[in-house]
Amino acid sequence: GAVVSQHPSWVICKSGTSVKIECRSLDFQATTMFWYRQFPKQSLMLMATSNEGSKATYEQGVEKDKFLINHASLTLSTLTVTSAHPEDSSFYICSARTTAMWNTEAFFGQGTRLTVV
Amino acid sequence: KNQVEQSPQSLIILEGKNCTLQCNYTVSPFSNLRWYKQDTGRGPVSLTIMTFSENTKSNGRYTATLDADTKQSSLHITASQLSDSASYICVVDRYSGGGADGLTFGKGTHLIIQP
Repeated sequence: GAVVSQHPSWVICKSGTSVKIECRSLDFQATTMFWYRQFPKQSLMLMATSNEGSKATYEQGVEKDKFLINHASLTLSTLTVTSAHPEDSSFYICSARTTAMWNTEAFFGQGTRLTVV
Repeated sequence: KNQVEQSPQSLIILEGKNCTLQCNYTVSPFSNLRWYKQDTGRGPVSLTIMTFSENTKSNGRYTATLDADTKQSSLHITASQLSDSASYICVVDRYSGGGADGLTFGKGTHLIIQP
Protein backbone atom coordinates (compact mmCIF):
# COMPACT_ATOMS: atom_id res chain seq x y z
CA GLY A 1 0.00 0.00 0.00
CA ALA A 2 0.87 3.66 -0.08
CA VAL A 3 3.32 5.07 2.44
CA VAL A 4 2.84 8.05 4.72
CA SER A 5 5.95 9.10 6.58
CA GLN A 6 5.79 11.16 9.75
CA HIS A 7 8.75 12.89 11.35
CA PRO A 8 9.95 12.98 14.04
CA SER A 9 8.73 9.78 15.65
CA TRP A 10 9.25 11.28 19.08
CA VAL A 11 10.21 14.67 20.47
CA ILE A 12 10.76 16.17 23.90
CA CYS A 13 10.54 19.93 24.23
CA LYS A 14 10.48 22.54 26.94
CA SER A 15 7.28 24.24 27.93
CA GLY A 16 6.74 27.41 25.91
CA THR A 17 8.64 26.29 22.83
CA SER A 18 7.20 25.31 19.46
CA VAL A 19 7.43 21.95 17.76
CA LYS A 20 6.91 21.11 14.09
CA ILE A 21 5.74 17.69 12.93
CA GLU A 22 5.95 16.72 9.27
CA CYS A 23 3.71 14.35 7.37
CA ARG A 24 4.73 13.23 3.89
CA SER A 25 3.02 11.02 1.35
CA LEU A 26 5.95 9.23 -0.26
CA ASP A 27 4.44 7.59 -3.33
CA PHE A 28 1.17 9.37 -4.00
CA GLN A 29 -0.26 12.85 -4.05
CA ALA A 30 -2.49 13.65 -1.11
CA THR A 31 -4.99 16.42 -1.71
CA THR A 32 -6.29 15.95 1.80
CA MET A 33 -4.44 15.13 5.00
CA PHE A 34 -5.80 14.71 8.50
CA TRP A 35 -4.23 15.32 11.87
CA TYR A 36 -5.25 13.29 14.93
CA ARG A 37 -4.37 13.25 18.57
CA GLN A 38 -4.50 10.09 20.63
CA PHE A 39 -4.30 9.89 24.41
CA PRO A 40 -3.44 6.60 26.14
CA LYS A 41 -6.13 3.94 25.73
CA GLN A 42 -8.32 6.39 23.82
CA SER A 43 -9.44 6.48 20.22
CA LEU A 44 -7.95 8.78 17.63
CA MET A 45 -9.52 12.23 17.80
CA LEU A 46 -9.57 14.31 14.66
CA MET A 47 -7.99 17.72 15.16
CA ALA A 48 -8.12 19.19 11.69
CA THR A 49 -8.47 18.52 7.99
CA SER A 50 -5.77 19.93 5.78
CA ASN A 51 -6.45 20.62 2.10
CA GLU A 52 -3.60 21.43 -0.22
CA GLY A 53 -3.46 25.10 -1.04
CA SER A 54 -6.21 26.19 1.32
CA LYS A 55 -6.76 26.79 5.00
CA ALA A 56 -7.20 23.87 7.33
CA THR A 57 -10.57 23.05 8.83
CA TYR A 58 -10.36 22.61 12.59
CA GLU A 59 -12.62 20.50 14.74
CA GLN A 60 -14.57 22.12 17.53
CA GLY A 61 -12.42 22.77 20.57
CA VAL A 62 -9.11 22.73 18.70
CA GLU A 63 -7.29 26.06 18.81
CA LYS A 64 -6.19 26.97 15.31
CA ASP A 65 -3.68 29.54 16.60
CA LYS A 66 -2.03 26.91 18.77
CA PHE A 67 -1.98 24.07 16.26
CA LEU A 68 -0.80 25.60 13.00
CA ILE A 69 -1.29 23.46 9.93
CA ASN A 70 0.33 24.06 6.58
CA HIS A 71 -0.32 21.96 3.47
CA ALA A 72 1.77 23.75 0.88
CA SER A 73 2.27 20.83 -1.48
CA LEU A 74 0.48 17.63 -2.48
CA THR A 75 3.01 15.54 -0.54
CA LEU A 76 3.66 17.51 2.62
CA SER A 77 1.59 18.76 5.54
CA THR A 78 3.04 20.15 8.75
CA LEU A 79 1.58 20.57 12.21
CA THR A 80 3.23 23.12 14.49
CA VAL A 81 2.38 23.05 18.16
CA THR A 82 3.07 26.60 19.31
CA SER A 83 3.92 27.53 22.89
CA ALA A 84 3.63 23.92 23.93
CA HIS A 85 2.53 23.04 27.45
CA PRO A 86 2.59 19.73 29.34
CA GLU A 87 -1.08 19.15 28.59
CA ASP A 88 -0.19 19.09 24.88
CA SER A 89 1.84 15.92 25.48
CA SER A 90 0.21 13.27 23.37
CA PHE A 91 0.56 10.99 20.37
CA TYR A 92 -0.06 12.88 17.13
CA ILE A 93 -0.89 10.96 13.95
CA CYS A 94 -1.45 12.14 10.41
CA SER A 95 -3.25 10.36 7.62
CA ALA A 96 -3.66 10.99 3.93
CA ARG A 97 -6.20 9.98 1.31
CA THR A 98 -5.34 9.67 -2.34
CA THR A 99 -8.29 11.75 -3.56
CA ALA A 100 -11.04 13.90 -2.14
CA MET A 101 -13.50 10.99 -2.36
CA TRP A 102 -14.54 9.69 1.01
CA ASN A 103 -14.48 5.98 0.37
CA THR A 104 -10.83 5.74 -0.54
CA GLU A 105 -8.18 4.24 1.66
CA ALA A 106 -6.69 6.33 4.42
CA PHE A 107 -3.01 5.72 5.09
CA PHE A 108 -1.59 6.65 8.46
CA GLY A 109 1.82 7.89 9.45
CA GLN A 110 3.72 6.13 12.19
CA GLY A 111 2.84 8.84 14.71
CA THR A 112 4.82 11.34 16.77
CA ARG A 113 5.09 11.07 20.52
CA LEU A 114 5.30 14.61 21.91
CA THR A 115 6.41 15.12 25.50
CA VAL A 116 6.44 18.64 26.88
CA VAL A 117 8.46 19.11 30.05
CA LYS B 1 -24.69 10.74 17.83
CA ASN B 2 -22.23 8.84 15.66
CA GLN B 3 -20.49 6.25 17.80
CA VAL B 4 -18.43 3.11 17.41
CA GLU B 5 -18.33 0.71 20.36
CA GLN B 6 -15.87 -2.15 20.57
CA SER B 7 -15.73 -5.17 22.80
CA PRO B 8 -13.99 -6.57 24.63
CA GLN B 9 -11.83 -3.68 25.78
CA SER B 10 -8.93 -6.07 26.22
CA LEU B 11 -8.30 -9.74 25.56
CA ILE B 12 -5.55 -12.21 26.41
CA ILE B 13 -5.26 -15.50 24.53
CA LEU B 14 -2.65 -18.18 24.03
CA GLU B 15 -0.58 -18.35 20.89
CA GLY B 16 -2.23 -20.50 18.25
CA LYS B 17 -5.76 -19.89 19.49
CA ASN B 18 -8.49 -18.07 17.59
CA CYS B 19 -10.38 -15.00 18.75
CA THR B 20 -13.19 -12.72 17.64
CA LEU B 21 -13.46 -8.99 18.27
CA GLN B 22 -16.77 -7.15 18.10
CA CYS B 23 -17.80 -3.73 16.82
CA ASN B 24 -21.22 -2.03 17.02
CA TYR B 25 -21.86 1.31 15.41
CA THR B 26 -24.53 3.97 15.17
CA VAL B 27 -22.87 6.00 12.41
CA SER B 28 -25.16 7.36 9.73
CA PRO B 29 -25.09 7.59 6.82
CA PHE B 30 -22.83 4.61 6.25
CA SER B 31 -20.19 4.37 3.55
CA ASN B 32 -17.79 1.67 4.72
CA LEU B 33 -16.32 -0.03 7.77
CA ARG B 34 -12.63 -0.55 8.34
CA TRP B 35 -10.52 -2.57 10.73
CA TYR B 36 -7.07 -1.33 11.61
CA LYS B 37 -4.21 -2.85 13.59
CA GLN B 38 -2.24 -0.43 15.74
CA ASP B 39 0.99 -1.52 17.36
CA THR B 40 1.99 0.36 20.50
CA GLY B 41 3.51 3.73 19.60
CA ARG B 42 2.75 3.33 15.90
CA GLY B 43 0.13 4.55 13.47
CA PRO B 44 -2.82 2.31 12.44
CA VAL B 45 -2.40 -0.09 9.55
CA SER B 46 -5.39 -1.12 7.46
CA LEU B 47 -6.56 -4.73 7.61
CA THR B 48 -9.90 -4.66 5.78
CA ILE B 49 -12.43 -2.28 4.28
CA MET B 50 -16.04 -3.33 3.68
CA THR B 51 -18.81 -1.45 1.96
CA PHE B 52 -22.53 -1.81 2.58
CA SER B 53 -22.92 -4.74 0.19
CA GLU B 54 -20.02 -6.80 1.53
CA ASN B 55 -20.67 -9.34 4.28
CA THR B 56 -17.19 -10.70 4.74
CA LYS B 57 -13.64 -9.93 3.74
CA SER B 58 -10.42 -11.75 4.51
CA ASN B 59 -6.81 -10.66 4.74
CA GLY B 60 -4.63 -13.65 5.53
CA ARG B 61 -5.52 -14.87 9.03
CA TYR B 62 -7.88 -11.92 9.54
CA THR B 63 -11.53 -12.25 8.53
CA ALA B 64 -13.98 -9.39 8.99
CA THR B 65 -17.75 -9.67 8.81
CA LEU B 66 -20.36 -6.97 8.45
CA ASP B 67 -24.10 -6.98 9.14
CA ALA B 68 -25.31 -3.60 7.95
CA ASP B 69 -28.85 -4.31 9.14
CA THR B 70 -27.86 -4.75 12.78
CA LYS B 71 -24.87 -2.40 12.42
CA GLN B 72 -22.44 -4.95 13.73
CA SER B 73 -19.05 -6.13 12.59
CA SER B 74 -16.56 -8.66 13.84
CA LEU B 75 -12.90 -9.38 13.25
CA HIS B 76 -11.84 -13.00 13.55
CA ILE B 77 -8.17 -13.86 13.99
CA THR B 78 -7.18 -17.42 13.21
CA ALA B 79 -4.17 -19.27 14.65
CA SER B 80 -2.93 -16.25 16.55
CA GLN B 81 0.76 -15.34 16.59
CA LEU B 82 2.79 -13.30 19.05
CA SER B 83 3.01 -10.52 16.46
CA ASP B 84 -0.77 -10.17 16.57
CA SER B 85 -0.45 -8.45 19.95
CA ALA B 86 -1.75 -4.94 19.27
CA SER B 87 -4.83 -2.76 19.44
CA TYR B 88 -7.49 -3.44 16.83
CA ILE B 89 -9.55 -0.45 15.89
CA CYS B 90 -12.94 -0.46 14.20
CA VAL B 91 -13.57 2.64 12.09
CA VAL B 92 -16.78 3.61 10.34
CA ASP B 93 -16.75 5.99 7.40
CA ARG B 94 -19.78 8.09 6.58
CA TYR B 95 -20.31 10.10 3.48
CA SER B 96 -19.93 13.63 4.70
CA GLY B 97 -20.15 15.23 1.29
CA GLY B 98 -18.17 18.21 2.46
CA GLY B 99 -14.62 18.91 3.45
CA ALA B 100 -14.53 17.16 6.82
CA ASP B 101 -13.19 13.72 7.58
CA GLY B 102 -15.98 11.14 7.84
CA LEU B 103 -14.15 8.59 9.98
CA THR B 104 -15.48 7.65 13.42
CA PHE B 105 -13.04 5.62 15.47
CA GLY B 106 -13.69 3.04 18.15
CA LYS B 107 -11.44 2.92 21.19
CA GLY B 108 -10.01 -0.38 20.10
CA THR B 109 -9.58 -3.82 21.58
CA HIS B 110 -6.19 -4.39 23.16
CA LEU B 111 -5.15 -7.94 22.27
CA ILE B 112 -2.30 -9.75 23.99
CA ILE B 113 -1.03 -13.07 22.68
CA GLN B 114 0.81 -15.13 25.26
CA PRO B 115 3.29 -17.87 24.35
